Amino acid sequence: EPEVTQTPSHQVTQMGQEVILRCVPISNHLYFYWYRQILGQKVEFLVSFYNNEISEKSEIFDDQFSVERPDGSNFTLKIRSTKLEDSAMYFCASHVLAGGPNGELFFGEGSRLTVL
Amino acid sequence: AQSVAQPEDQVNVAEGNPLTVKCTYSVSGNPYLFWYVQYPNRGLQFLLKYITGDNLVKGSYGFEAEFNKSQTSFHLKKPSALVSDSALYFCAVRDIDNTDKLIFGTGTRLQVFP
Repeated sequence: EPEVTQTPSHQVTQMGQEVILRCVPISNHLYFYWYRQILGQKVEFLVSFYNNEISEKSEIFDDQFSVERPDGSNFTLKIRSTKLEDSAMYFCASHVLAGGPNGELFFGEGSRLTVL
Repeated sequence: AQSVAQPEDQVNVAEGNPLTVKCTYSVSGNPYLFWYVQYPNRGLQFLLKYITGDNLVKGSYGFEAEFNKSQTSFHLKKPSALVSDSALYFCAVRDIDNTDKLIFGTGTRLQVFP
C-alpha cells in the first residue's frame, strides 16, 4: 500500500538553527499538508500546498516557516530560525483531490523536532 | 470558522463492552467528517469518514460512527472493545464549501481494560 514517508524521524537542533523536514507524498496525490502536534496536544494545521503554491496557511505559519516542492517528489518544510516552542511532532499529509469524493488525508509517521 | 469538540479527554471501558467516543462539530458549510487513530509514537491512521448518504458509516477495525445533523455530532462507536483499541482518537472536520484543510479535535484517549 502506498504511503507518505518522512525524514528524519527525529531531529535535535539548537535554538536559532535552520531545520528542513522532508516528506515524500503518495505519488499521484496533488494536495500536500503540514500539521504539527506539540506533545500531548491537538494536531494543528500549518499549511496546505497545491500546484506549487501555498493554498492556505494558519497563524502559526509565520515568516519563519516555508514550504517547497523542489523536484516533483519531495515536499519540504523549512523553519528558518528555530525557537524552543517549535519543538513538536511534524506530520506531512497528502490527498488526491481537494473536495473530491475521497476526503481523507494520508499521513506520514511524523518527524519529531526537539529544539534545545 | 470550523471547529471540532471532543468533550472527553479519556474514555475507559472494559474489554468486550461497547465503547463510544464523542465528537461535535461546527462548520458554516457542508461538513466532511473523519475519525483518525494514533497509536503511541506513530502517525495518524484513517478510520472512517462521512461524506454524504447513510448516516451510519462503517470503518476499519470494526468501528462505526453516526452522523447526526440536528445534534451536529459524529460519535465513534464499537460494539465490543478490544485491549488493542487503546489509543488516541481524533475527530476531524472539513468545511468543503470553504476550505481544504482538516481541523482536528483535541483527541480522546481510549483505554480498554482486560
